[in-house]
Amino acid sequence: GAVVSQHPSWVICKSGTSVKIECRSLDFQATTMFWYRQFPKQSLMLMATSNEGSKATYEQGVEKDKFLINHASLTLSTLTVTSAHPEDSSFYICSASPPPGQGNTDTQYFGPGTRLTVL
Amino acid sequence: QKEVEQDPGPLSVPEGAIVSLNCTYSNSAFQYFMWYRQYSRKGPELLMYTYSSGNKEDGRFTAQVDKSSKYISLFIRDSQPSDSATYLCAMIGNQFYFGTGTSLTVIP
Repeated sequence: GAVVSQHPSWVICKSGTSVKIECRSLDFQATTMFWYRQFPKQSLMLMATSNEGSKATYEQGVEKDKFLINHASLTLSTLTVTSAHPEDSSFYICSASPPPGQGNTDTQYFGPGTRLTVL
Repeated sequence: QKEVEQDPGPLSVPEGAIVSLNCTYSNSAFQYFMWYRQYSRKGPELLMYTYSSGNKEDGRFTAQVDKSSKYISLFIRDSQPSDSATYLCAMIGNQFYFGTGTSLTVIP
């Protein structure tokens, strides 16, 4: 089955630094990946839709300049949290769907999440 | 073996039916169990959250966890067309582990 990985699984950083989180589809090519934020006991909040080879589409209220998304290849999307602050501490989760012909396009495969702690 | 197994469906039921959605898991270290509902390409909405074996009820939804069998279920009573969505189970150990989702259609 389709597998999506994230790296790192947990990162602790100082306030003001930038953190890059990787999301990889391991056995299928993903033209579209999604980035979510998970607060404890809350729904996953869709932050942005990452499109390979083009700019990401951000949800309302999500700062584009703070959460930089790059989808440079069909298997890799990165989320960079710039100038991180303690309120950015959260789980960040990505998902990906296979394109037509490589699987069920309606199924989203979720990564295991990256826990960000900003001191 | 995947950490979490979920039947992808699709599942179609008539309005008013009781729906049973299930996931099995392999890691006995999982502590927290969640069910999400996802419409189209929106973010998954948290429906139920539990950390112990037994049943937890919220309106028409009942979450059941059987840690001895490594099996969790979500029951939807008096299903409505608005319940048509993809339902994801998820568990937390040291990371999140999501099922692949079950697509549910409730037919009026």
